[in-house]
Amino acid sequence: DGGITQSPKYLFRKEGQNVTLSCEQNLNHDAMYWYRQDPGQGLRLIYYSQIVNDFQKGDIAEGYSVSREKKESFPLTVTSAQKNPTAFYLCASSTRGGGGTGELFFGEGSRLTVL
Amino acid sequence: GQSLEQPSEVTAVEGAIVQINCTYQTSGFYGLSWYQQHDGGAPTFLSYNGLDGLEETGRFSSFLSRSDSYGYLLLQELQMKDSASYFCAVSAGNKLTFGGGTRVLVKP
Repeated sequence: DGGITQSPKYLFRKEGQNVTLSCEQNLNHDAMYWYRQDPGQGLRLIYYSQIVNDFQKGDIAEGYSVSREKKESFPLTVTSAQKNPTAFYLCASSTRGGGGTGELFFGEGSRLTVL
Repeated sequence: GQSLEQPSEVTAVEGAIVQINCTYQTSGFYGLSWYQQHDGGAPTFLSYNGLDGLEETGRFSSFLSRSDSYGYLLLQELQMKDSASYFCAVSAGNKLTFGGGTRVLVKP
């Protein structure tokens, strides 16, 4: 079945540690996105990528980094510079830029807790 | 920048009709989408309006007025399983920006 796989589902981190969240899709989608969601809040865009080897900052990119070396993969690194990293992280993909059909396909999310 | 406004919470009984309004401010607007998210789950796509007017998909309908920068999601014949958060999202500049979400609580 085609879809988006995020791992790990749950992750605990000590302050000062970098962590990398994995996102893999087999939908053959060009565009991929990372969103952050805090309890009871909406989704805020961290980074997005329209094609391989290219990505753009979203609204809250500080303290995060990404890479897009393969079409299928868009990993997100939460660095120690992110002051409040505890959140639910959602990866998504679409056939082309979000301005096309407005339809994103989401993974099941990764819940990061900083101890 | 972009901003979206939608009510934070709506409560209704089974079988009722609920309308969730969304107003937005953005440049380079393409269209308005709606997503449903159950607690602990991932958002799922419900509908997209690129042109003015009403789009109907089963019990759910979505409306857009580009001149008023306004849209709404209409949930009809409410069922208990419709209890969830609903987000409007604007498409602009190859990305989607989400509103804060409306929590819908369906009571028996």
